[in-house]
Amino acid sequence: DTAVSQTPKYLVTQMGNDKSIKCEQNLGHDTMYWYKQDSKKFLKIMFSYNNKELIINETVPNRFSPKSPDKAHLNLHINSLELGDSAVYFCASSPRYGGYTFGSGTRLTVV
Amino acid sequence: DQQVKQNSPSLSVQEGRISILNCDYTNSMFDYFLWYKKYPAEGPTFLISISSIKDKNEDGRFTVFLNKSAKHLSLHIVPSQPGDSAVYFCAASVKDSGYALNFGKGTSLLVTP
Repeated sequence: DTAVSQTPKYLVTQMGNDKSIKCEQNLGHDTMYWYKQDSKKFLKIMFSYNNKELIINETVPNRFSPKSPDKAHLNLHINSLELGDSAVYFCASSPRYGGYTFGSGTRLTVV
Repeated sequence: DQQVKQNSPSLSVQEGRISILNCDYTNSMFDYFLWYKKYPAEGPTFLISISSIKDKNEDGRFTVFLNKSAKHLSLHIVPSQPGDSAVYFCAASVKDSGYALNFGKGTSLLVTP
């Protein structure tokens, strides 16, 4: 029974396409996040939602749009994919103040 | 602008010995620090944390030390086991930032039998 599950695990797509990554958590956490791990292995925050409300929006191109239909879900939609978007994207959730629980990641490859 | 730094990309330790992973930070506003462990093709797993009001937190074989004046923290694993071989990420956050974590680049630990 996975705590934070994200799908798909692997995604290969062509430049210019639009794609979505889904994330669901069953931990009852109020806050969910999207992180990006780039080729240099840096984990950087992209977005944070608390109870469906956007609270962090880092400097991310507006081609990236998070959607939180309820507090258990935070999906990431990416328009007009570019080569530089290739990375591993991690979803995570946390209680008000505590350690995150991460999903297993989605490896996005744009060709 | 990298606010959390792990200057050792890799560390090799013999089984049974102590592993010490180091982390430095630049933002004096950070008040909560965490260590995560990551295996290949998996997400990071929370290991241990420490609040800035403490200087030590222990959980089994894992102990985190915080030196606020030096803006330095370290993770001690003793005794080290082969299953501890993984990438360890140090992370820090500020309470009022929405709990966004600032991660270091990670240190790859190899524990040899």
